Formats: sequence, structure tokens, C-alpha cells
Amino acid sequence: RKEVEQDPGPFNVPEGATVAFNCTYSNSASQSFFWYRQDCRKEPKLLMSVYSSGYEDGRFTAQLNRASQYISLLIRDSKLSDSATYLCVVQNTDKLIFGTGTRLQVFP
Amino acid sequence: NAGVTQTPKFRVLKTGQSMTLLCAQDMNHEYMYWYRQDPGMGLRLIHYSVGEGTTAKGEVPDGYNVSRLKKQNFLLGLESAAPSQTSVYFCASSYPLARVAGGPHNEQFFGPGTRLTVL
Repeated sequence: RKEVEQDPGPFNVPEGATVAFNCTYSNSASQSFFWYRQDCRKEPKLLMSVYSSGYEDGRFTAQLNRASQYISLLIRDSKLSDSATYLCVVQNTDKLIFGTGTRLQVFP
Repeated sequence: NAGVTQTPKFRVLKTGQSMTLLCAQDMNHEYMYWYRQDPGMGLRLIHYSVGEGTTAKGEVPDGYNVSRLKKQNFLLGLESAAPSQTSVYFCASSYPLARVAGGPHNEQFFGPGTRLTVL
């Protein structure tokens, strides 16, 4: 079983749609949690950190459920520029463990 | 401020050849990492370093060696390249990652990647 699991997608949604990504992790001792974004043939970049209390940044909301070992990312009012791969990331001591990513394609 | 840079950007090797990938960062980060990314596999950690002169193995270290002689540089070596090492290699750096749950989060900054093909 992979340490971080994500639905690979792709998710094809129209502009303005709301889309949700889910992620599960296996190590209950994991300390911190993140979503990274990766554009095609580019390097990953931090999108946002994830807290148990939830975190909202504009159209993006991330949530952590430690009991279920589950992380989510909600994107509201999708834009064409949101098309990318979204990576669920878990920190274990000095290392980040990356999920394989969920690909999002927003169409006009 | 260049951030994280990687040299070279592209390389084609023949099986059995050796090469070194260079990663450099100008953000004074203590931690540096080498990952490889393959289709359907996501980013996998090869080796990492938590400070000058120290290195540690990641998830997929076999066939690779690393050195961190200077804080700003992290070298990844392939002694005898194999076709299975065809991949995109990313270097990253960060301040120390928080050891306490909910503690301050330190972002990993990635270089632009090196596309390596081994024939």
C-alpha cells in the first residue's frame, strides 16, 4: 500500500465548477500536510498547508481529518488557469512523501 | 536571487556511462533533497541531506550517490547508468522541517528539473 494515495483523475470540469480532491495517508505519526501544484513539465510548488481546523485561501479550501487520516482540497469557481496536477504531501520527520497527484483539466 | 538551479537541464547517456547532476541554492537552506519523477509513480525521494557534510538514503537510493560538501550545493551521481534511471530528476531545498505536529511549516523549493534519458 502506498503511503499517500490519491485518485489520479483526470478530473475534467467546466469553468466555474466546484471540484474536490481527496487523499489518504497511512502513517498516523505524520506531522504536517500540504497540497502542492505541478504544471505540465514544471516543478512542484506549494499551494497551501493543511490544518485540522481547515484552511481557506480565496477559492481554495483544504481540510485535514487526523482520525480518518484523510486530506481534502476543494476548489470553487474553477478557472482555466487551475488546470494542473495537484499533489497531496505528507511530512514524516525530515522527509516529504508525495502522492502520485490528481490531474485537473478545466475547460471553457 | 536564483532560488534552486539544476545543471544540466537535459542529458542523454548510454548504458554504463556516469554523470553528476548539480543542484545549487542561494537561500541558505539547511535541507536539500533529490527526487525522481516517473509517470504513474509520483515523486520519489532518492537521497537527502539535513546539513553540510551529511547525507541520508531515501526511498529509492540504489544506483545513486550524493555529496554535500558545501551548504549551497548537493550533487547526485550515477556511477553506471541504466535504462531504469531514465526519469525527470528534481532537486529541492528547505529550512528544517518542523518536528512537532502543527509546528511552523517550511516550504520545499524545487529546481526546474533535469530530464535524463539512458539508452
